[in-house]
Amino acid sequence: GAVVSQHPSRVICKSGTSVKIECRSLDFQATTMFWYRQFPKQSLMLMATSNEGSKATYEQGVEKDKFLINHASLTLSTLTVTSAHPEDSSFYICSARDRRRDEKLFFGSGTQLSVL
Amino acid sequence: EDKVVQSPLSLVVHEGDTVTLNCSYEVTNFRSLLWYKQEKKAPTFLFMLTSSGIEKKSGRLSSILDKKELFSILNITATQTGDSAVYLCAVIEGSQGNLIFGKGTKLSVKP
Repeated sequence: GAVVSQHPSRVICKSGTSVKIECRSLDFQATTMFWYRQFPKQSLMLMATSNEGSKATYEQGVEKDKFLINHASLTLSTLTVTSAHPEDSSFYICSARDRRRDEKLFFGSGTQLSVL
Repeated sequence: EDKVVQSPLSLVVHEGDTVTLNCSYEVTNFRSLLWYKQEKKAPTFLFMLTSSGIEKKSGRLSSILDKKELFSILNITATQTGDSAVYLCAVIEGSQGNLIFGKGTKLSVKP
């Protein structure tokens, strides 16, 4: 099946630093990727839609200057959490849509971010 | 307001039981409904439903969509402890294909 690779799986950083998370589609081209955030015991919350070659579309309430998304190629999207604070600590998951497979979404393994 | 509502939120059964998980939705420009199984961390894909009345099956799991009544069910027969997970329902809506998740049903299967 389609594989989406997300890296790193876990990151611990100091408050004020920036963290970059990568999401790669390994065996298909993904013109659209999605970034989610999940708090403990809660469902996935869509943060933004990443479109290859254009600006990301952010959901209401998500700060675009804080969560920078870059989708520079058909297989790679990155999420950068800038000037991270403890309240940004969360589980971040990306997903990519495979148009060859009826637009099914495949998920990365997630990144657990802990900001000290 | 919630657009995708799953019930029950949690469920505890014993091995061998059959369970039915529910997902109702209210969205504009419905495109598809998807079921995912989330254990440990990242969700894994189970089913994608687009047409009403067509049951999809995969082993002990099956799912069906009712676009008139705006809901879907996920059935698991002869449950096993390995079925313990959070089952997420999601709906793709709109021209951009936004994905909206329900809160999930946490299933616990006791030996």
